[in-house]
Amino acid sequence: DQQVKQNSPSLSVQEGRISILNCDYTNSMFDYFLWYKKYPAEGPTFLISISSIKDKNEDGRFTVFLNKSAKHLSLHIVPSQPGDSAVYFCAASPNTGNQFYFGTGTSLTVIP
Amino acid sequence: GAVVSQHPSRVICKSGTSVKIECRSLDFQATTMFWYRQFPKQSLMLMATSNEGSKATYEQGVEKDKFLINHASLTLSTLTVTSAHPEDSSFYICSARLQFNTEAFFGQGTRLTVV
Repeated sequence: DQQVKQNSPSLSVQEGRISILNCDYTNSMFDYFLWYKKYPAEGPTFLISISSIKDKNEDGRFTVFLNKSAKHLSLHIVPSQPGDSAVYFCAASPNTGNQFYFGTGTSLTVIP
Repeated sequence: GAVVSQHPSRVICKSGTSVKIECRSLDFQATTMFWYRQFPKQSLMLMATSNEGSKATYEQGVEKDKFLINHASLTLSTLTVTSAHPEDSSFYICSARLQFNTEAFFGQGTRLTVV
């Protein structure tokens, strides 16, 4: 049972525009959320996180929004750059443990 | 950031043999490490939580006798795929966390191919 879902398997965006990646979760025990960037045959690279006590966290070009009532989070990248092209995973961690559960991933392509 | 090193990065083994993958936290002590598996174009699936000095906690559907996990020290966890079969071919990744409510750091991953 997939507790964290990313319903868009792929997304294409023009360079300089905003990329919005979405993530939904079902487990109300999740209280810490992260976004990772991943290239094939490599481990994920951490991008940004947010805890459930916040609804927004910003780091440079990356902003994560959390809507707890809707069990939804999103990652905004602005402006998008060709180097952002990768697979992005959202992940969630429950308040009862240390493990992370990953979404299915969204492949982002930023077109120059 | 903290560094997690995984070895080997690639391994090819024959059906029926066992393969050991190591995961080390290089600059911090990790009482807990996590093992994930990723099939092509799919998500990272949590297999098990490796606990230093005690038994690993396996996710539902993961065969603990098939995937042996040992966390003998605060900086090393190992995953042994026993009696490997071609369907075990996958990308295996370990991760560790410094403390609660912080990000996890990931190893480089191991591409296992069973022939």
